[in-house]
Amino acid sequence: KAGVTQTPRYLIKTRGQQVTLSCSPISGHRSVSWYQQTPGQGLQFLFEYFSETQRNKGNFPGRFSGRQFSNSRSEMNVSTLELGDSALYLCASRGSGESDQETQYFGPGTRLLVL
Amino acid sequence: AQSVTQLDSHVSVSEGTPVLLRCNYSSSYSPSLFWYVQHPNKGLQLLLKYTSAATLVKGINGFEAEFKKSETSFHLTKPSAHMSDAAEYFCVVSEWSSNTGKLIFGQGTTLQVKP
Repeated sequence: KAGVTQTPRYLIKTRGQQVTLSCSPISGHRSVSWYQQTPGQGLQFLFEYFSETQRNKGNFPGRFSGRQFSNSRSEMNVSTLELGDSALYLCASRGSGESDQETQYFGPGTRLLVL
Repeated sequence: AQSVTQLDSHVSVSEGTPVLLRCNYSSSYSPSLFWYVQHPNKGLQLLLKYTSAATLVKGINGFEAEFKKSETSFHLTKPSAHMSDAAEYFCVVSEWSSNTGKLIFGQGTTLQVKP
C-alpha cells in the first residue's frame, strides 16, 4: 500500500498570505489528523477529520482550518500567516480496525517558511 | 490528561553499543504508547506500539520497549547501535475517547551514534 502523501513538500509565503496544504491518506483509511512541529513547541495536534467531519480539535487559533473530502483526502488552510506559523506540518492517517484504530501513520510533511 | 516525559534530550553512543532512550508517562487509565523515529528532513516512522497486550514490545530495526506499569515507564532499547539509527526519537501516548483521539508527543531525544 502507498503511504501517506503530502503536497507540496516545501512552501515559502509572506506574512498576511494564506496557504493550503494537501494530504492523501493510506488507501482505506478514513481518518486524517494534522500536527504542527516547531523547534520551540515540538509536535502539537491541530485537528482530526473522519468521514468529512471534524472530530477533534487542538488548541490553535481559528486561522487554522481544515476539511476532508469524500475520498478521505484532506486539506489544511492557514489564513493571515504569521512568522510563528513557520513549521513542519505533518499529516497522519489511521485505520478503523479495532487493533489498529489508535495507530497513526505519518506523511513526509510540508515545510512552511513564512517571511 | 495524558502526558509523556522523555528524560534525555540528547543521547550519544558508539556504534555497536547498546541504546537506551528513557520515557515516563502519565495516564489515568491503561495507555496506548508508541515510539516514533524521525530522520533529518523526514516524516515520522512508527517503530513500535504497546496496546495492553505483551509488556515487551518488539519493533522494527531491532528496537524493543518494555511497558512497566509500576514505574510508569516505556523505555526504548536496542542491543547494538548502527550509524543509521542516528535520528530523533519520540515517545508518544494516545489520548483516545469516543472513537476519536490524538497523539501526545514527548519533546524528543536526539540519538547520536559515533563511529
